[in-house]
Amino acid sequence: GQQVMQIPQYQHVQEGEDFTTYCNSSTTLSNIQWYKQRPGGHPVFLIQLVKSGEVKKQKRLTFQFGEAKKNSSLHITATQTTDVGTYFCAGRRSSGTYKYIFGTGTRLKVLA
Amino acid sequence: KAGVTQTPRYLIKTRGQQVTLSCSPISGHRSVSWYQQTPGQGLQFLFEYFSETQRNKGNFPGRFSGRQFSNSRSEMNVSTLELGDSALYLCASSSAQGPFDYGYTFGSGTRLTVV
Repeated sequence: GQQVMQIPQYQHVQEGEDFTTYCNSSTTLSNIQWYKQRPGGHPVFLIQLVKSGEVKKQKRLTFQFGEAKKNSSLHITATQTTDVGTYFCAGRRSSGTYKYIFGTGTRLKVLA
Repeated sequence: KAGVTQTPRYLIKTRGQQVTLSCSPISGHRSVSWYQQTPGQGLQFLFEYFSETQRNKGNFPGRFSGRQFSNSRSEMNVSTLELGDSALYLCASSSAQGPFDYGYTFGSGTRLTVV
């Protein structure tokens, strides 16, 4: 079945350093979404990417969707302690089905 | 706008019992999805309901079932509980009706502990 892997599983960074998490799907995706889950909280929607090669920015966060629509990345510039949490990608294989497969997540810890 | 409401927040059940979890989506959202979250397996898709119909189903045993009511509220039921069913159960609502959507809004979850 469809699998979505994320690397790394964990990342510790010093405050101010950059951070990147990568998402890889075993199948071509219709679109991909990114979520952030703070410790003890629930996932919160960040953004959706639909087009091949699409790049979107939200302040210090940059999201990319691969040309083949099988991978994606989230890059955070100059991390802050508020960036702590687990980042998940979620991919949908077909636009005709509303079933998202979540990646394994990357847990980010920011050291002040 | 009220968020997604899940009840109860916490639940402790004994192996072999059954449990029903409830989810009230954001007003106007007709799609409700359920996910199981565990430290080892991450977020696993259970099922998705739209207009009272199950549109998609994950790879869970038949002990896991759900339904959606005409007001879009949804319930999921787990029968014959096993220790491995201990998890955070998340409900997510969406207004999605096609290829473009605005993402899930998740509830705070129900933390189920099976002893």
